[in-house]
Amino acid sequence: EAGVTQFPSHSVIEKGQTVTLRCDPISGHDNLYWYRRVMGKEIKFLLHFVKESKQDESGMPNNRFLAERTGGTYSTLKVQPAELEDSGVYFCASSQFGQGNEKLFFGSGTQLSVL
Amino acid sequence: KNEVEQSPQNLTAQEGEFITINCSYSVGISALHWLQQHPGGGIVSLFMLSSGKKKHGRLIATINIQEKHSSLHITASHPRDSAVYICAVNSGGSQGNLIFGKGTKLSVKP
Repeated sequence: EAGVTQFPSHSVIEKGQTVTLRCDPISGHDNLYWYRRVMGKEIKFLLHFVKESKQDESGMPNNRFLAERTGGTYSTLKVQPAELEDSGVYFCASSQFGQGNEKLFFGSGTQLSVL
Repeated sequence: KNEVEQSPQNLTAQEGEFITINCSYSVGISALHWLQQHPGGGIVSLFMLSSGKKKHGRLIATINIQEKHSSLHITASHPRDSAVYICAVNSGGSQGNLIFGKGTKLSVKP
């Protein structure tokens, strides 16, 4: 069974450009999460989807970030326009829907560099 | 100060040594996670704890809710255990709304 996949694995863009990151969760996983690690800092939660609905977007830094999960399958995270401070590693994770103690499965992350 | 603190930040051990990584947190939690990230790799969930102790192979995780402290132990360490170990807590948001520690970088020398 395929794990959580993210692409691209690396993206280098210039300040002001737009970048779209994609996450494919494990098939059948209703929960999908986005996280970000900025260099030198701890990983931070961004948002949580249950199927196609945003359950919790309390971690989204500002309105330059737009996450979607149309059809409740894969998700995209768009940054528009990108700023230097957006550089970091963006992780995605998924889990089955249940009682809240389901195991999280993480992707390998997308390394975003904004120059 | 971060709500989740790990110690040590870096740890070097010789193969075979017993290793302990500590995690202290300052918020009320519903669960605590231990995660592992190998260099260049993705993150793997090792344990999710809400009380007591869990064991998987050479890994043992314990949590003391009253003291707001958890430990991850590795017995008979091996070079393949070299990775960053991350503690994260769920303090009441959605399941994956976690507060992460900065991680402990472990290097096990042969």
